[in-house]
Amino acid sequence: AQKITQTQPGMFVQEKEAVTLDCTYDTSDQSYGLFWYKQPSSGEMIFLIYQGSYDEQNATEGRYSLNFQKARKSANLVISASQLGDSAMYFCAMRDYSNYQLIWGAGTKLIIKP
Amino acid sequence: EAGVAQSPRYKIIEKRQSVAFWCNPISGHATLYWYQQILGQGPKLLIQFQNNGVVDDSQLPKDRFSAERLKGVDSTLKIQPAKLEDSAVYLCASSSPRGRETQYFGPGTRLLVL
Repeated sequence: AQKITQTQPGMFVQEKEAVTLDCTYDTSDQSYGLFWYKQPSSGEMIFLIYQGSYDEQNATEGRYSLNFQKARKSANLVISASQLGDSAMYFCAMRDYSNYQLIWGAGTKLIIKP
Repeated sequence: EAGVAQSPRYKIIEKRQSVAFWCNPISGHATLYWYQQILGQGPKLLIQFQNNGVVDDSQLPKDRFSAERLKGVDSTLKIQPAKLEDSAVYLCASSSPRGRETQYFGPGTRLLVL
């Protein structure tokens, strides 16, 4: 069965430091997509970054990058130079290509300390 | 490009009352999703529409929840009668069949059932 695992329930990080949020996945499909979303306390789910299983390069979007290690089935999110506004819940998700639905991890609560 | 719109943003009702949520997806997005998110958990898919047809409603508690997307654009989710355990954030998302099928979310509706 397809599954997303986020092993860090919570993290405290000093402002301006880099952050790595862990995500491992389990699937027998050859073609899949991996997503990271940010959910601030306001509740909105904000799309951050996408990695396709056939993408040879790690995805990057501004301060966000995805460390994709296919053999290890990991898709860790890296936030460079963290800011106070990065404090939020972060969810890793995988797309099921049979129905285009997302399989979600439990999330990691990130708190940036000034 | 306008994002996914949802209303109301907040709703407080008493148990056994009814409530309705509205969602207007991003223009041109054929697929619309309703999620329920309990505090501290990842989103749970309630129903998925493709245009005005239901793709998956297997996790929708049909004895009390209903949803429609009559003209293939905006959608309404209804709860009748509400229970205490329905207190959650209700998220609407939409995606386009072109490209990555990334799901984009609205701001959500926070429901409190007393």
